Amino acid sequence: DGGITQSPKYLFRKEGQNVTLSCEQNLNHDAMYWYRQDPGQGLRLIYYSQIVNDFQKGDIAEGYSVSREKKESFPLTVTSAQKNPTAFYLCASTPGTSGPWFGKNIQYFGAGTRLSVL
Amino acid sequence: DAKTTQPPSMDCAEGRAANLPCNHSTISGNEYVYWYRQIHSQGPQYIIHGLKNNETNEMASLIITEDRKSSTLILPHATLRDTAVYYCIAAYTGNQFYFGTGTSLTVIP
Repeated sequence: DGGITQSPKYLFRKEGQNVTLSCEQNLNHDAMYWYRQDPGQGLRLIYYSQIVNDFQKGDIAEGYSVSREKKESFPLTVTSAQKNPTAFYLCASTPGTSGPWFGKNIQYFGAGTRLSVL
Repeated sequence: DAKTTQPPSMDCAEGRAANLPCNHSTISGNEYVYWYRQIHSQGPQYIIHGLKNNETNEMASLIITEDRKSSTLILPHATLRDTAVYYCIAAYTGNQFYFGTGTSLTVIP
């Protein structure tokens, strides 16, 4: 089945540690996105990528880094500079590159990774 | 992108229609209205979207007022599996959007 796979489902970070969240899609979508969701809140955009080897910051990029070396993969690294990393992280993709909300450019989401601090 | 306002919670009896309202009074002419839902600890799921006309698909119907300042998502025969948080989003393009706190719908047996 086509879809977006996020791993791991649960992740724990120690103080000062960098951790990487995996996101893989087999939908042949051009664009990929990372969101953060805090309890009882909506989604906030961290980074997005519309093409391989290119990505842009979203609203809350500080303390995070990404790479897009392959079309199907968009890993997110939560660095030690992110002082409050505990949250639910969601990866998404869209077929086109006109942004997630343009017409029929529907976003497809993964199941998420829940990150906690030890 | 326009901000949206939704009631924080709603209940609906199983088998009845669930009508979820959304206010987007500052929506611009080229912004679409999208509805997603999120079941606890899962990724959001696309439901439906529209621009001006009412829309229907296998999951739901979307009714947009003529002035486009509000809309209603209708789940025609709610089931227990429809219990989720429903998000209404008004957006055009780019990657700036407002993904608010949504409406927590509880379907009651």
